[in-house]
Amino acid sequence: GENVEQHPSTLSVQEGDSAVIKCTYSDSASNYFPWYKQELGKRPQLIIDIRSNVGEKKDQRIAVTLNKTAKHFSLHITETQPEDSAVYFCAAAHRYNFNKFYFGSGTKLNVKP
Amino acid sequence: DVKVTQSSRYLVKRTGEKVFLECVQDMDHENMFWYRQDPGLGLRLIYFSYDVKMKEKGDIPEGYSVSREKKERFSLILESASTNQTSMYLCASSFGREGEKLFFGSGTQLSVL
Repeated sequence: GENVEQHPSTLSVQEGDSAVIKCTYSDSASNYFPWYKQELGKRPQLIIDIRSNVGEKKDQRIAVTLNKTAKHFSLHITETQPEDSAVYFCAAAHRYNFNKFYFGSGTKLNVKP
Repeated sequence: DVKVTQSSRYLVKRTGEKVFLECVQDMDHENMFWYRQDPGLGLRLIYFSYDVKMKEKGDIPEGYSVSREKKERFSLILESASTNQTSMYLCASSFGREGEKLFFGSGTQLSVL
């Protein structure tokens, strides 16, 4: 089955700096890659996603890039703010096994004011 | 707004007890999921259902069963709870067949003593 690895497990940045979280996946048939944010004590929520037919997607301060050849995708957060502090999960979904998401182990992002 | 409601926020049970975790969604979503969240392991899929009375095993189904008698409700059953099932359990739902956004419940923290 699919194996999604996520790095780093923790990330500490100064407010205003950029943060990058990276994920790799093993199954070349995976075609959907969402990112979820989980604030302390709250439920995970989708913040951005990308499908395999595009290489990059942006939404204000966040962006996701996908390299299908290397089988990795990354989350980029620019101009970080304290409210960006949370655990971020990447995931991959297989086109022939719809809606079965494989999640990474999570990255705890701490943005220091 | 989609609402996914889990019946209990915290639950304490004894080893060997039968445990029911209930999840209800109000958006007529076809797909429902049970995940287990453990520190450093991300979210692992226990079971999912893509239709009433339909269920499929996820990555860690051992020790669990599920029931989906109505479209809006998906129950997770621990037939005989064990201490290694102490965890945060997250229910989620989604619409459609190809990599759709997951809507999560707020989670049930289960402690098995």
